[in-house]
Amino acid sequence: DGGITQSPKYLFRKEGQNVTLSCEQNLNHDAMYWYRQDPGQGLRLIYYSQIVNDFQKGDIAEGYSVSREKKESFPLTVTSAQKNPTAFYLCASSSLSDTQYFGPGTRLTVL
Amino acid sequence: AQKITQTQPGMFVQEKEAVTLDCTYDTSDQSYGLFWYKQPSSGEMIFLIYQGSYDEQNATEGRYSLNFQKARKSANLVISASQLGDSAMYFCAMSPPRYAGNNRKLIWGLGTSLAVNP
Repeated sequence: DGGITQSPKYLFRKEGQNVTLSCEQNLNHDAMYWYRQDPGQGLRLIYYSQIVNDFQKGDIAEGYSVSREKKESFPLTVTSAQKNPTAFYLCASSSLSDTQYFGPGTRLTVL
Repeated sequence: AQKITQTQPGMFVQEKEAVTLDCTYDTSDQSYGLFWYKQPSSGEMIFLIYQGSYDEQNATEGRYSLNFQKARKSANLVISASQLGDSAMYFCAMSPPRYAGNNRKLIWGLGTSLAVNP
C-alpha cells in the first residue's frame, strides 16, 4: 500500500533534549513538508523540500532542522532551541500536482 | 498576498442533511488550485477534493462537491447527506501562483469545525 508513515505516534521530550520525528513516503513524490498544528489552530509550515538534498524554511523554522538525504525520507529534528515544542506535527508529500497527502501525525509533548 | 478565509469557526448539521462550508480566497494569479481537507479527531489530514481555476465544471467526489464561483473568489464545500462520521475540522487551501517558482507551499485557511447531530 502506498502512503506516508510517521513515527512515533506519541513522543515525550524533556526540556533541553533534541528529538527526531520520522516521516517516510512510498508514493514516489518529489516534495515533502512538515507542518505544526496547535490546538484550535490551522497548519503552519516548518520546512519543505522539493528535491533530495535541498530544503527551504517555512514560516516557523526557528528551533527545527531537517534533512533530505533520500527521496523517501524527510526527518524533522526539534531542537532544544524550540521553546514551545508541544504540538501536533504533520508530514505531507506531493507530486507536481500540488495535492498534498498527509501522514497520521506525531503528537509531541514536553515534560 | 494570497489568502484563504474561512468565516465559520463552527457549524452544526442534522444527519442526512446537506451542509455548505464557506471558503473565500484572494489571489491575483489566473492559474491556481483549490483544495479541501478533512481532519477528524484522530488528527490525520485527509484530502477530499480539488478544483483547478480553469476547470469549467465544479469538482465532485462522491458526497463532496465544490461550489466554485471564480468571479466571487469563493470555493465552498458542499457535503450532501451528512453522516455522523463527517464530524471533523475542514480546511480550505490554495496552491501558490506559478510565478512563485520553487516556493510551492499551499496557503491554508484556519478551518471550520463541523458537528453532525444524530
